Amino acid sequence: AQKITQTQPGMFVQEKEAVTLDCTYDTSDPSYGLFWYKQPSSGEMIFLIYQGSYDQQNATEGRYSLNFQKARKSANLVISASQLGDSAMYFCAMRELYGSARQLTFGSGTQLTVLP
Amino acid sequence: EAQVTQNPRYLITVTGKKLTVTCSQNMNHEYMSWYRQDPGLGLRQIYYSMNVEVTDKGDVPEGYKVSRKEKRNFPLILESPSPNQTSLYFCASSREVNQPQHFGDGTRLSIL
Repeated sequence: AQKITQTQPGMFVQEKEAVTLDCTYDTSDPSYGLFWYKQPSSGEMIFLIYQGSYDQQNATEGRYSLNFQKARKSANLVISASQLGDSAMYFCAMRELYGSARQLTFGSGTQLTVLP
Repeated sequence: EAQVTQNPRYLITVTGKKLTVTCSQNMNHEYMSWYRQDPGLGLRQIYYSMNVEVTDKGDVPEGYKVSRKEKRNFPLILESPSPNQTSLYFCASSREVNQPQHFGDGTRLSIL
């Protein structure tokens, strides 16, 4: 079964607007962590934001915020005030702390293009 | 500078010729792992290591070996590479298992 699902292969957003990248996950483990990574065309993987399953508040890091809806098992990434440099592939990932050998499982990614 | 270093960055080789991709981190991290990235599939974990001498299989371990003799190094070994192992490979490390991982710059392997 797919553990991480990113349903948007590609997204476009106008510069300075906000954009939401979707991520849903599947786990029966009560303890898990959710991560978002950015991969620019240069290829490196850049950590953006983390949300723990027991965290009471949604995580925020600068222009990035995570809309965590535990009951719906969704962890959408919100980028506010998009910039041209935000154009990249974005990956959602999950680590179950007790199940599945504690490995990090990635979604297939969303390619974001910011338009000038 | 805190970093994860992979070598080589690019390699073209032939089927059956053993190769090793090295990975080293200078952050004293306990947890290290290897991923391969293929179009449309995201990143899939090959092997991971919780600590020295402790390694375990990820989602796609077939055809790969690893070792963790020292904390800082986690080489990936392809004993008999095949064309289906042509991919972009990433090494990553983190202080603990539930901490964000630092990724190397990637190694692009082409097996002819």
